[in-house]
Amino acid sequence: EAGVTQSPTHLIKTRGQQATLRCSPISGHTSVYWYQQALGLGLQFLLWYDEGEERNRGNFPPRFSGRQFPNYSSELNVNALELEDSALYLCASLLQGGLGYGYTFGSGTRLTVV
Amino acid sequence: QQPVQSPQAVILREGEDAVINCSSSKALYSVHWYRQKHGEAPVFLMILLKGGEQKGHEKISASFNEKKQQSSLYLTASQLSYSGTYFCGTDTIRGRNTGKLIFGQGTTLQVKP
Repeated sequence: EAGVTQSPTHLIKTRGQQATLRCSPISGHTSVYWYQQALGLGLQFLLWYDEGEERNRGNFPPRFSGRQFPNYSSELNVNALELEDSALYLCASLLQGGLGYGYTFGSGTRLTVV
Repeated sequence: QQPVQSPQAVILREGEDAVINCSSSKALYSVHWYRQKHGEAPVFLMILLKGGEQKGHEKISASFNEKKQQSSLYLTASQLSYSGTYFCGTDTIRGRNTGKLIFGQGTTLQVKP
């Protein structure tokens, strides 16, 4: 079973530009969860999509947006990039394992804003 | 409200034990534990769903004290592979998945030979 896949692995953008990050959840999973991991700030919840709908949103400005496609893959868009948007962006599926259900994360997209 | 993890960092020798605590000022209804190695994504360890629950896998276990709004992760007879940053993630909504975990700031564990 393929895990959560994210692309690109690395992305370098200039301040003010837009970035688009992509994620495919575990096959058959309808939900996608996005987290930001900025240096020194830990993991922060961004967005949750399920069945094509936005179900919950973290405390991020509206320039962070996304969507989920009919095949359950997802895009995260960050507009008007700022230097502090530099971070590792992680996408996850919720997976039942031997010790309960938990998030299986993709390898992430490292976004650098210069 | 972000849960507080303690200690922030710990250095162990192989075979030693460690405890990592996760405390919240708000009521907790579930606690996740993850380990993240440098340059890699976090890996799910376990989830605790109710007060008094204890769970474990090999030499890593955890407990959840709902009244104290606290969870602890126990690593016994540590191995080099245990090195990494440990995060707790908490959900403060009872009975339904909000999709939103609030993570602690992390505890860096380094196991030396």
